[in-house]
Amino acid sequence: DSGVTQTPKHLITATGQRVTLRCSPRSGDLSVYWYQQSLDQGLQFLIQYYNGEERAKGNILERFSAQQFPDLHSELNLSSLELGDSALYFCASSVMTSGGGEQFFGPGTRLTVL
Amino acid sequence: AQSVSQHNHHVILSEAASLELGCNYSYGGTVNLFWYVQYPGQHLQLLLKYFSGDPLVKGIKGFEAEFIKSKFSFNLRKPSVQWSDTAEYFCAVMQDSNYQLIWGAGTKLIIKP
Repeated sequence: DSGVTQTPKHLITATGQRVTLRCSPRSGDLSVYWYQQSLDQGLQFLIQYYNGEERAKGNILERFSAQQFPDLHSELNLSSLELGDSALYFCASSVMTSGGGEQFFGPGTRLTVL
Repeated sequence: AQSVSQHNHHVILSEAASLELGCNYSYGGTVNLFWYVQYPGQHLQLLLKYFSGDPLVKGIKGFEAEFIKSKFSFNLRKPSVQWSDTAEYFCAVMQDSNYQLIWGAGTKLIIKP
C-alpha cells in the first residue's frame, strides 16, 4: 500500500458524459501527478500540481482538467468523453522538495466509456 | 526534448534465466533514475532508484541496476528470474532542474514456468 488513494476503482459511463476522478496523496506529499495508461498509448503524463498550483502539463486534452484543493487532494475532470478515453488513470504523489522525486502511485481508476 | 528509451518492448524468458533490460536517456545533466514495476492488474511500484554515489544500485526482489553516465544508461538486471517477475517494467528519469519524471515506454516481461 503506497498511501495514495484513488476513487472510484472502476467507472463505466457513456460517450459525451463527464466524470470526476479523485486522488488523496500520501500524508505530507505536496505534489500530485495524473497519468493515463492505455494499451495503445502506454503510460502518459497528464498534469502535475504542487501545493494547489499547476506545475506542469503533459499530454492532457483540453476536455480534461484537474485541480488540487487546500487539503491537497486532487480531482481530474474528464468531459465530453470519447471511446478512446477508456483507460486506467493513475494518480501519484511525491514530496518534491526532497527525496529525489520518487513518486508513489495509487491503485488507479479504470474508466470504461461505452 | 528529453527522452527515455527502453530497447525491448517484450521479453520472454524461462525461469532461472538471467535478465537485463536496457534503458537509455537523452539528458546530459544531473539526473535521478528509477525503475518501476507493474505486476498484472496492479499499480506501479518502485523497484529501485539512483540519486548519487555507488552507480550499482540494489533494489527489491533481487533486482539491481547500474548507472553508466558515459553511456547515459541505467540497465536493470536480475541474475535468476522467477515466474513471479512477470510484469511490465518502466524506466524513468528525473532531471535535477524539475520534479517531472520522463518515462520509457515500458518492457513487458513474461517468464515461462
